[in-house]
Formats: sequence, C-alpha cells, structure tokens
Amino acid sequence: AQKVTQAQTEISVVEKEDVTLDCVYETRDTTYYLFWYKQPPSGELVFLIRRNSFDEQNEISGRYSWNFQKSTSSFNFTITASQVVDSAVYFCALRAAGSARQLTFGSGTQLTVLP
Amino acid sequence: GAGVSQSPSNKVTEKGKDVELRCDPISGHTALYWYRQSLGQGLEFLIYFQGNSAPDKSGLPSDRFSAERTGGSVSTLTIQRTQQEDSAVYLCASSVRGAGATYEQYFGPGTRLTVT
Repeated sequence: AQKVTQAQTEISVVEKEDVTLDCVYETRDTTYYLFWYKQPPSGELVFLIRRNSFDEQNEISGRYSWNFQKSTSSFNFTITASQVVDSAVYFCALRAAGSARQLTFGSGTQLTVLP
Repeated sequence: GAGVSQSPSNKVTEKGKDVELRCDPISGHTALYWYRQSLGQGLEFLIYFQGNSAPDKSGLPSDRFSAERTGGSVSTLTIQRTQQEDSAVYLCASSVRGAGATYEQYFGPGTRLTVT
C-alpha cells in the first residue's frame, strides 16, 4: 500500500517570507515517482514537478525548490520570498512504477500568503 | 495548446437521478484518469484508461459508477441513482504514456457535482 502524508493542514505566512511544505511518503516499491501539484482558488490542479526515486538531486526552479531525501522518505517543497499569488492548496503525490498508474495524493496543505 | 477540458463545470441534480460527466483529454495523450475530490476524502482515484487496454476500475466506489472512453479519446463518467455523498468535484487527467518513465498527469478544471 502507498501513503502520502502532509501533516501541515494550513500554513499562513507574510509576503517575502520563506515557507517549506512537508511531504512524507510510504511505499514498498523500489522505483516510484513523486509529484507536487498546486491548486489555486480557481480549482485546477497545476503540475509543478516530478521526481524519480533513483534521482535524489535537489531541484530549484526560480523561487521554488524541492528537497528529496530517500533516507527519511520525504519530498519537501520550499517557496522562497513568498508572494500573494502563491496562495493555494499544495498536494504531494506518489506513483509506483508497477501496474498501478494512479496517483496517491496527500491531503494537501493550504498556504495563505498575506500581503 | 489546449488542455484537458471537462463539462459541465457545475451540475446540480436531485438524489436518485443519473448524471454524465465528460472529459476531453489533451490531444495525443493515451492515458486518462478520473479522480474525485471531496471535503472528507481528499483526492481519490476512480478509474484509469490506457489505450485499448481494459480499464483499471479499482477505485470506483460502487457499481453505480461507470466510465467509458470512446475512440481512445473522450471519456464519460456516469453516476446512476446519485446519492448526496456523491457530491464532490470530479477531476479528469491525461498523460502521455511512453516506454520507461512515467509521465506527469495534466488535470482539467473539474466538474462540481451537487446532489440535493
């Protein structure tokens, strides 16, 4: 069975602060894929990043960065210098490389960035 | 290019009625997924289609739910004899399937279903 835990239900920060969203996953598969999606108030899920289990390099994309650590089964997401437009629900998701193709989602973290 | 489209965007129906939700995936995407997002349950997988293969229906919550995909493109999710607990946002996603690595899923805007 697979499981994704996002322990932070809601986070509120003031604009320009850095914020880290936590994601911890469980899987018995040795090959798997991790994802982050953003769901703004409009409702549409927006793909942010995919990470393969065999690639532990951290990634930076503009103000976004991701820290993948297999030793702790974590895939955390950091937004640097947050902006009001970053306010959204962020979902971490897992997909094994086996026959199951669907994503297993965490419960999401509601991020509110205050001006 | 065009993303995943879904219709209707909102649907209000009376308990006991049947509803059909439509998904038009991104052109060229061979894999199509349905998920449900509700307040108490988060995002749940419902069903997966890949090309001409038999669909993976393992996430369908009851036999009142069914889906089909015609011509490897458009998909319709049907809920028969709707119940109030079916109220949720129904999301469709599509992805490219290629040899080797998995590909990210791109989501549509969803259909908000309200059963009164």
